[in-house]
Amino acid sequence: DAGVIQSPRHEVTEMGQEVTLRCKPISGHNSLFWYRQTMMRGLELLIYFNNNVPIDDSGMPEDRFSAKMPNASFSTLKIQPSEPRDSAVYFCASSLFSGGLADTQYFGPGTRLTVL
Amino acid sequence: QQQVKQSPQSLIVQKGGISIINCAYENTAFDYFPWYQQFPGKGPALLIAIRPDVSEKKEGRFTISFNKSAKQFSLHIMDSQPGDSATYFCAASSSYNNNDMRFGAGTRLTVKP
Repeated sequence: DAGVIQSPRHEVTEMGQEVTLRCKPISGHNSLFWYRQTMMRGLELLIYFNNNVPIDDSGMPEDRFSAKMPNASFSTLKIQPSEPRDSAVYFCASSLFSGGLADTQYFGPGTRLTVL
Repeated sequence: QQQVKQSPQSLIVQKGGISIINCAYENTAFDYFPWYQQFPGKGPALLIAIRPDVSEKKEGRFTISFNKSAKQFSLHIMDSQPGDSATYFCAASSSYNNNDMRFGAGTRLTVKP
């Protein structure tokens, strides 16, 4: 079975450019999470979706960040304009949440973003 | 705002020794406590998880001990091996909050041969 798929795996861009990160969750999962990982701040939850609906975006650092989930099999995280402090590894994770017990989140391989 | 506190930040253990990582949480609504293992350049991967209806769960060399009254849980790695060298994250989530998961800061484990 394919796990969570993220693209690109590496992205190098210049300050001010738009960056779009992509995620395909595990088929059948209905919750999707975007995380950012840095040495200084560890793993931070940015936003998560249940059934394609954004539930909590309080972790999104500022208006330059936006996320969409147009359907159950695809999500994007966009940064516009990008800044050097956005350099980090961005992870997408998915899980199956049926409204019952909380369950495991499965992580993708991450996108390493470098903003010059 | 940190809801899950993890210690130690780093740990060095000799091959064959026991590695112990501790976590404490604040939110009593948490009802799922996974541990993730992360190797360099990879995403975190589920190692073992526990729910609060049991005090211990064992899978091979890995054991979670859970103390609900103290709001603490720990990971024990028995017979630690160099291949266990990785960063370990504890986490906690709540069914009442749409599975929103909070992570500890991570422990970098090094197992020396």
